[in-house]
Amino acid sequence: GQQLNQSPQSMFIQEGEDVSMNCTSSSIFNTWLWYKQDPGEGPVLLIALYKAGELTSNGRLTAQFGITRKDSFLNISASIPSDVGIYFCAGQSYFRTGANNLFFGTGTRLTVIP
Amino acid sequence: DGGITQSPKYLFRKEGQNVTLSCEQNLNHDAMYWYRQDPGQGLRLIYYSQIVNDFQKGDIAEGYSVSREKKESFPLTVTSAQKNPTAFYLCASSILGRHYGYTFGSGTRLTVV
Repeated sequence: GQQLNQSPQSMFIQEGEDVSMNCTSSSIFNTWLWYKQDPGEGPVLLIALYKAGELTSNGRLTAQFGITRKDSFLNISASIPSDVGIYFCAGQSYFRTGANNLFFGTGTRLTVIP
Repeated sequence: DGGITQSPKYLFRKEGQNVTLSCEQNLNHDAMYWYRQDPGQGLRLIYYSQIVNDFQKGDIAEGYSVSREKKESFPLTVTSAQKNPTAFYLCASSILGRHYGYTFGSGTRLTVV
């Protein structure tokens, strides 16, 4: 199945710093989503984006749906230790009917140093 | 509260034994999925099901089997034919015709010794 290109693969940052990660695809998507996976747990949805150019915030998190529909960005401001985990982007296509229409990025592993 | 329940959280099995992982959802979602995650890696699709009594292979179905006898349940059996079964297994579900992403369970860590 298709996997999206997500970068960086891993990040080590000091507490309080801002974080940026992005995701690109060769395909157009109608929905972009960002998930966070805590160690030993399942991914949890953080932000969903439904329109090209859309900018959405959830607390210290801000995500954008790229104008080309082929990319998305996630920013975390003023990082704290509980931000540690793996962040996955995901793109969903209206053109694929039925199930299995969500494609995941390779993940960004974030480590926050207190 | 609605959600997806995976059990058990940790599972140990001897090499050569089949083992079944449970996944139950009360979200009334149509589709269900099984993913495998290896340490430091992304998600790889094993099987998915859109409707009761129907399921499709994903990218790494060899050595695995599933059933979907009820809308709420989608158990995964890891057979002895799976060459490297030790991994973290995630179950997910979604509503067909909507684009709200998937809801995930909390995972089962399988260790084969």
